[in-house]
Amino acid sequence: NAGVTQTPKFQVLKTGQSMTLQCAQDMNHEYMSWYRQDPGMGLRLIHYSVGAGITDQGEVPNGYNVSRSTTEDFPLRLLSAAPSQTSVYFCASSPNLGQGTSQPQHFGDGTRLSIL
Amino acid sequence: AQSVAQPEDQVNVAEGNPLTVKCTYSVSGNPYLFWYVQYPNRGLQFLLKYITGDNLVKGSYGFEAEFNKSQTSFHLKKPSALVSDSALYFCAVSSPGFQKLVFGTGTRLLVSP
Repeated sequence: NAGVTQTPKFQVLKTGQSMTLQCAQDMNHEYMSWYRQDPGMGLRLIHYSVGAGITDQGEVPNGYNVSRSTTEDFPLRLLSAAPSQTSVYFCASSPNLGQGTSQPQHFGDGTRLSIL
Repeated sequence: AQSVAQPEDQVNVAEGNPLTVKCTYSVSGNPYLFWYVQYPNRGLQFLLKYITGDNLVKGSYGFEAEFNKSQTSFHLKKPSALVSDSALYFCAVSSPGFQKLVFGTGTRLLVSP
């Protein structure tokens, strides 16, 4: 019972490099989301998706892209990494039963990203 | 706009004593309220939620929370704290038709032996 799987767990990048953070869930959840966690700021929503082919921006979308070609996968792309993107990134999923986000979200264990 | 406030960065309590972690919220319409817990180097784990119904909600590990509409609060409580309850706790809010979950800044709970 894998739940939400994030890879890699750790990554160090240089400024200007690009990379993709992977997120996969095996619960057939329609709703998926990406958050970043920074000290003293809680979790901030980057992008979210309510189903395959549908994505939307969250609170802090700049510098990040997402796509949702399948129900299972929701990758997050950093196009040109900046030191301000040093953070811990969490992917989450939940059922979407037409009731907004009334269902609890299941979180992965995070990707710790450092940008030099 | 939806928002959540957790006024305490840290709460210290002795093992066996009751604990309270505070949360207040602001939403347009009826709130969906959640508590999550995060242990070191792990993702968030769901503890409990309030959607509708009884104002006292019971959740995992003996935690409960009371929804107070007049005070727009959803404080997390436990009658007797354990050292293993030490963790980071997040309150979150959403509402019907609002496709986002807004988190508070988190409260670190330290339970001393």
